[in-house]
Amino acid sequence: AQSVTQLDSHVSVSEGTPVLLRCNYSSSYSPSLFWYVQHPNKGLQLLLKYTSAATLVKGINGFEAEFKKSETSFHLTKPSAHMSDAAEYFCVVSEDSNYQLIWGAGTKLIIKP
Amino acid sequence: GAGVSQSPRYKVAKRGQDVALRCDPISGHVSLFWYQQALGQGPEFLTYFQNEAQLDKSGLPSDRFFAERPEGSVSTLKIQRTQQEDSAVYLCASSPLGIGNEKLFFGSGTQLSVL
Repeated sequence: AQSVTQLDSHVSVSEGTPVLLRCNYSSSYSPSLFWYVQHPNKGLQLLLKYTSAATLVKGINGFEAEFKKSETSFHLTKPSAHMSDAAEYFCVVSEDSNYQLIWGAGTKLIIKP
Repeated sequence: GAGVSQSPRYKVAKRGQDVALRCDPISGHVSLFWYQQALGQGPEFLTYFQNEAQLDKSGLPSDRFFAERPEGSVSTLKIQRTQQEDSAVYLCASSPLGIGNEKLFFGSGTQLSVL
């Protein structure tokens, strides 16, 4: 069975410092992995997606994530946080040919000025 | 429209009332999903349509929940005899592809509060 664990419910960083949002997954098959972002009162937006090509995936707004099979991790990073990055971030897993998405509980990213 | 539109944005219902939540997907999108997002949690799958066909309703929590997409565009999620545990944000997502989980576009959701 698939599952996703986001290790931090809240992460607080200062503007201009690096961001790390941690995600571990469990999947029986070769998974697809996603990061979505949810800004207040806005719809969920896809940040990036991994589908067994390059293990380092670049997304929008300067975010990237690295797939590490040995650690079953898919952590999201950004070199320098911006105030506009404040939002909730969700790590998501889906098995190949299975349209159902399994979502983590989310990590709220807080940016301090 | 430019994106997925959901209405109403907020809905307050008394316990036992029936409610209907509407989703207008992006025109031409084949796949449509409904998710339920409880406070502090990630979205949970409810049901999936490919055009007008409801291919999976395994996530609907009880027979009080019913969804339809009769003409393959607009979809309605109906909840009968609402209970307090139904309080959540209901999200609709659509995709131009028939595969399902690729390129999902989400609406802003309907926040349902059952008193």
